[in-house]
Amino acid sequence: LAKTTQPISMDSYEGQEVNITCSHNNIATNDYITWYQQFPSQGPRFIIQGYKTKVTNEVASLFIPADRKSSTLSLPRVSLSDTAVYYCLVGDLPGNEKLTFGTGTRLTIIP
Amino acid sequence: SQTIHQWPATLVQPVGSPLSLECTVEGTSNPNLYWYRQAAGRGLQLLFYSVGIGQISSEVPQNLSASRPQDRQFILSSKKLLLSDSGFYLCAWKTQGVHEQYFGPGTRLTVT
Repeated sequence: LAKTTQPISMDSYEGQEVNITCSHNNIATNDYITWYQQFPSQGPRFIIQGYKTKVTNEVASLFIPADRKSSTLSLPRVSLSDTAVYYCLVGDLPGNEKLTFGTGTRLTIIP
Repeated sequence: SQTIHQWPATLVQPVGSPLSLECTVEGTSNPNLYWYRQAAGRGLQLLFYSVGIGQISSEVPQNLSASRPQDRQFILSSKKLLLSDSGFYLCAWKTQGVHEQYFGPGTRLTVT
């Protein structure tokens, strides 16, 4: 399993764009990158997944450079409700049924 | 639609007492099932996962055990709780071959 490294915490003001970067230097060819969001006293919730280049959905964008050794979750115009812990996971789809969560990035949005 | 249930929501147990947490999934068949534990302010620790009835993989050797008596039922047990077993226990399911996991509401266990 590719190991991931994320900042422990980040602060941002409301209305700004927030970028959280995850390093995964030993990512394998078949690995996908997945991000989850967790609010206090709740289970994590899937946000977005990608393999290369850019993926965008109604919640966030995921940028993956050509070497795929890192990825950046981008949250546009954050609000107080985006305060949460964000986890980056790396693993291949068909063979790896075990997903390992790291310690994540605690994002705090300041009014 | 699929739903996942966990109970109880909260539990306070003395050291040395047994534990049984239950998780059930509705609206899907043959899901992968997972038990995670989260200590206060920490990340998620994978405890057990199962890809089918009777198939349990243990990730962390400890005094906990898991069983899957039915396709959509996953049980976490302990014969004797330790103080270090306190935490937020989360059950999750996913479809095989897909990354997206769906988590239950969790059980907050306090061992006193």
